[in-house]
Amino acid sequence: AQSVTQLGSHVSVSEGALVLLRCNYSSSVPPYLFWYVQYPNQGLQLLLKYTTGATLVKGINGFEAEFKKSETSFHLTKPSAHMSDAAEYFCAVSAAAGGYQKVTFGTGTKLQVIP
Amino acid sequence: EAQVTQNPRYLITVTGKKLTVTCSQNMNHEYMSWYRQDPGLGLRQIYYSMNVEVTDKGDVPEGYKVSRKEKRNFPLILESPSPNQTSLYFCASSLTEKLGGYTFGSGTRLTVV
Repeated sequence: AQSVTQLGSHVSVSEGALVLLRCNYSSSVPPYLFWYVQYPNQGLQLLLKYTTGATLVKGINGFEAEFKKSETSFHLTKPSAHMSDAAEYFCAVSAAAGGYQKVTFGTGTKLQVIP
Repeated sequence: EAQVTQNPRYLITVTGKKLTVTCSQNMNHEYMSWYRQDPGLGLRQIYYSMNVEVTDKGDVPEGYKVSRKEKRNFPLILESPSPNQTSLYFCASSLTEKLGGYTFGSGTRLTVV
């Protein structure tokens, strides 16, 4: 079975500060990993994904994430928070399970950006 | 514009009254899926479809039905809605189930009273 743990359901940062949203996963097979962002009253939007190759993945809006196999982590970072980054962020893992690619989402982290 | 379209956006209904939430994608995606989102629980998969006439249960399928008669459409049917199905529902699609990276619809907020 696979799972995703997002540490911290709420994270607050000051505008201009580093954003760090934590995601740890478990999977018995090599996973694909994703970060999605959800703005109020909207669907989820793909920020970035890791499938194979380079472990540092760059996404939209200045976000990036690093796949660390030894730590089973895929933390999301952005050097400088902007007010428009306030949203809920979901980490997801996709791995082969029972003949198909199962996607499991974390419970989400709400990011608050303080002016 | 490439998109997943869900209708309606908001729906209030009474217990036991059958309803359908429609989902349509214009990207020729093979894989489509329905999720429900509840506070503190993240997104949980209800049903998925890997192609036309191929559907299977996700993690929380009880009380729901789906069909995939055409590639672009994947409606979610609640035959006899109950209050515990009050939730925010999302339809999502991807080119294939192996690639991941969903495109999501805007969501349907369902209230069952």
